[in-house]
Amino acid sequence: EVQLVESGGDLVQPGGSLKLSCAASGFTFSESPMHWVRQASGKGLEWVGHIRTEANDYATAHAASVKGRFTISRDDSKSTAYLQMSSLKTEDTAVYYCASGGWYDAFDLWGQGTMVTVSS
Amino acid sequence: SSELTQPPSVSVSPGQTATITCSGHKLGDTYVGWYQQKPGQSPVLVVYRDDKRPSGVPERFSGSSSGNTATLTISGTQTMDEADYYCQAWDTGLVVFGGGTKLTVL
Repeated sequence: EVQLVESGGDLVQPGGSLKLSCAASGFTFSESPMHWVRQASGKGLEWVGHIRTEANDYATAHAASVKGRFTISRDDSKSTAYLQMSSLKTEDTAVYYCASGGWYDAFDLWGQGTMVTVSS
Repeated sequence: SSELTQPPSVSVSPGQTATITCSGHKLGDTYVGWYQQKPGQSPVLVVYRDDKRPSGVPERFSGSSSGNTATLTISGTQTMDEADYYCQAWDTGLVVFGGGTKLTVL
């Protein structure tokens, strides 16, 4: 079955760190750019960042709102993408989705999301 | 990065045509994708590359793009189409989403 499964969401204090995982199956993970998108409760979708493939040197890009605090990585041998989050703020509270799609193309596969709550 | 502007809400009667617009000053330089999201669910791609429909998406969903505006059209709208819809595009290697449009079918 073609799917993405996120995990790692939790309750964390402001200033803390958390690492999310996105396990892929059913497609050639190593050939797909991977993205992270978040959605605060009752709000719209916000792109967090992406990581390209080995052919593109695993280049990454992040939204301005998380740049310097969040880092995206991947392990093609495990078909898994990661989102390392540090210096977390209350405004980072959201459901975090991973998604796959071609470069400069749409996201044709989404995970079910994992909830991150930043609160004291 | 550029911004994409969508109307916050659109209402349509069952069987009628719903039109959701997405405007951005760089839309003419990139493909647009559209996503449907129902409450408590993950987004689902309904249109990609401006006007292409993924396998399994009903034919009543169509997309177009001209100049700085992209449009999602739902012909013969059904009650099951009630959802939030988001447009998405690329800008200098970054991704941007529109603010979303709540489609009400009543």
